[in-house]
Amino acid sequence: EVQLLESGGGLVQPGGSLRLSCAASGFTFSNYAMSWVRQAPGKGLEWVSAISGSGSTTYYADSVKGRFTISRDNSKKTLYMQMNTLRAEDTAIYYCAKDKPEHQPNYYFDYWGQGTLVTVSS
Amino acid sequence: DIVMTQSPDSLAVSLGERATINCKSSQSVLYSPNNQEYLAWYQQKPGQPPKLLIYWASTRESGVPDRFSGSGSGTDFTLTISSLQAEDVAVYYCQQYYSTPLTFGQGTKLEI
Repeated sequence: EVQLLESGGGLVQPGGSLRLSCAASGFTFSNYAMSWVRQAPGKGLEWVSAISGSGSTTYYADSVKGRFTISRDNSKKTLYMQMNTLRAEDTAIYYCAKDKPEHQPNYYFDYWGQGTLVTVSS
Repeated sequence: DIVMTQSPDSLAVSLGERATINCKSSQSVLYSPNNQEYLAWYQQKPGQPPKLLIYWASTRESGVPDRFSGSGSGTDFTLTISSLQAEDVAVYYCQQYYSTPLTFGQGTKLEI
């Protein structure tokens, strides 16, 4: 059974940093691209970042480029998002999401974690 | 960036009736070399993560009831629920994966 378990969210002051983690199980992690998608309270879905299965290719939304860094440790089956210089508008539930196709990234998502809440406030 | 626009924003349908949600992309999401439409649909219920319903615009995800269907091409797409059930109350999102940044529609809230 595929499982994605996010952690690392919490309350942080503007300008602060957080590192999110997503522990994966139930599939061959290194064979699949992964993404982070966020959802501000009461709002829609916003894609944040994606990474290929090997970790060699990354993509970012303009809203986080230069502040957030996606990475993965395939030996630990874990996806990460380092978030720096956080702003109030980064407040959201952050979901990790698994790409459906194996070996060939297409960036649509067949499994999602339950999400971790990041709140940026003073 | 490809802008995804859904209509309507909200929709009330009676049980057993058909529900239709539209999604329009600001540019084509058809990739000519493989003739595939890079469009997916998700369902999100309160307090839950999204669930994949449809990909390649019309391919139903495994385990999704056949009352859900996707259609369309180019820039105009439709999600149809043929006979609404109580458990279909949710917000529905379209997503293009033709190019980054990946983008979602604003969501359509489906009620009974």
